Amino acid sequence: DVKVTQSSRYLVKRTGEKVFLECVQDMDHENMFWYRQDPGLGLRLIYFSYDVKMKEKGDIPEGYSVSREKKERFSLILESASTNQTSMYLCASSNSKTDSNQPQHFGDGTRLSIL
Amino acid sequence: AQSVTQLDSHVSVSEGTPVLLRCNYSSSYSPSLFWYVQHPNKGLQLLLKYTSAATLVKGINGFEAEFKKSETSFHLTKPSAHMSDAAEYFCVVPTGFQKLVFGTGTRLLVSP
Repeated sequence: DVKVTQSSRYLVKRTGEKVFLECVQDMDHENMFWYRQDPGLGLRLIYFSYDVKMKEKGDIPEGYSVSREKKERFSLILESASTNQTSMYLCASSNSKTDSNQPQHFGDGTRLSIL
Repeated sequence: AQSVTQLDSHVSVSEGTPVLLRCNYSSSYSPSLFWYVQHPNKGLQLLLKYTSAATLVKGINGFEAEFKKSETSFHLTKPSAHMSDAAEYFCVVPTGFQKLVFGTGTRLLVSP
């Protein structure tokens, strides 16, 4: 089974801090994704990556950046955390660049609170 | 642009009764479609996927969904609800380049 592991289940940070959320997958998947999930809004894509050192903006990239130095690891960075970034963050991975029918595999999420 | 609309934000059923979670899609061609489930404090798990091979798709935990092009629908059903089915369910359409578009979710409540 694919395992996507997010380093923290719960995180509390202060406004203005630089925050790192880490995600690791163990199936050698090429694609990795970061989403945020808010009540009534579903999941919204922040950033994704097709390969090492490659990143693409999703639908809501403002205030975030990402890093993919190794194939198995994809980090989400909040450069200067703000209260409107309080949310559930979900990492996902998938295997194919060409087959859009491949499902994504999700981690259990990090619930981030910015005070 | 492809999109999905989940028609109910909450659905309440009694244990042992049928479940119907509704999803309509918008697409200029026959899309692929997924249903995912999210249990409390967990990530999303794939329930089933439609990829044009068969219009009736069976998934895990006794769920199934039927693709109806004439109605642009992909409703999720289960004949008999269990307490363990209480969760949030997402209808999802892939949009190419591995990107997914999610519906806003339907929370299923199951009472004894």
